[in-house]
Amino acid sequence: EPEVTQTPSHQVTQMGQEVILRCVPISNHLYFYWYRQILGQKVEFLVSFYNNEISEKSEIFDDQFSVERPDGSNFTLKIRSTKLEDSAMYFCASRDRDNNQPQHFGDGTRLSIL
Amino acid sequence: AQSVTQLGSHVSVSEGALVLLRCNYSSSVPPYLFWYVQYPNQGLQLLLKYTTGATLVKGINGFEAEFKKSETSFHLTKPSAHMSDAAEYFCAVSPGGFKTIFGAGTRLFVKA
Repeated sequence: EPEVTQTPSHQVTQMGQEVILRCVPISNHLYFYWYRQILGQKVEFLVSFYNNEISEKSEIFDDQFSVERPDGSNFTLKIRSTKLEDSAMYFCASRDRDNNQPQHFGDGTRLSIL
Repeated sequence: AQSVTQLGSHVSVSEGALVLLRCNYSSSVPPYLFWYVQYPNQGLQLLLKYTTGATLVKGINGFEAEFKKSETSFHLTKPSAHMSDAAEYFCAVSPGGFKTIFGAGTRLFVKA
């Protein structure tokens, strides 16, 4: 079964540095998402992306965050200047065109800010 | 606004006993409902989903859930717990099929 893949599995970065988290969604999917899970807390929606633009974003997704689909396969989340509180598990998800289909999640990238 | 409430952050059952994880939701539009399971240091795996049609849905690993509109509930059950069921379970709602809103999660412990 096709999967959403995320790299790296663990990223350690100094506070203030830029970080890019990478995702390869399922190939025929059209909707892409990023979620965040701070250790011990619930999974929180960050942003959704469709037709090469952001379709919705949460209040967490401030100017320090950006997303991009640089080619036909990758979907990236960039954090411009990381803060300690950005430490979390970041999940990418994708969905096909039908609204009643579930989102498929990757295994996540654990981001640790020092 | 849409939201999901999972009753009980921790549930402990004996191996072979019934598993019942409770979930209530609110949604201003007909919801799509999901249960995901997360094993330690892993991603989110879809257990089952409800979109339309039959209100009792069966998922993987022997789990099932029943959508009760009148109670705005989508409780997850399994007749007989197995040690391998120990994990975190998330109920989620996707109003109209867009972003997914997760509950806080319920950690299931299974005692031998």
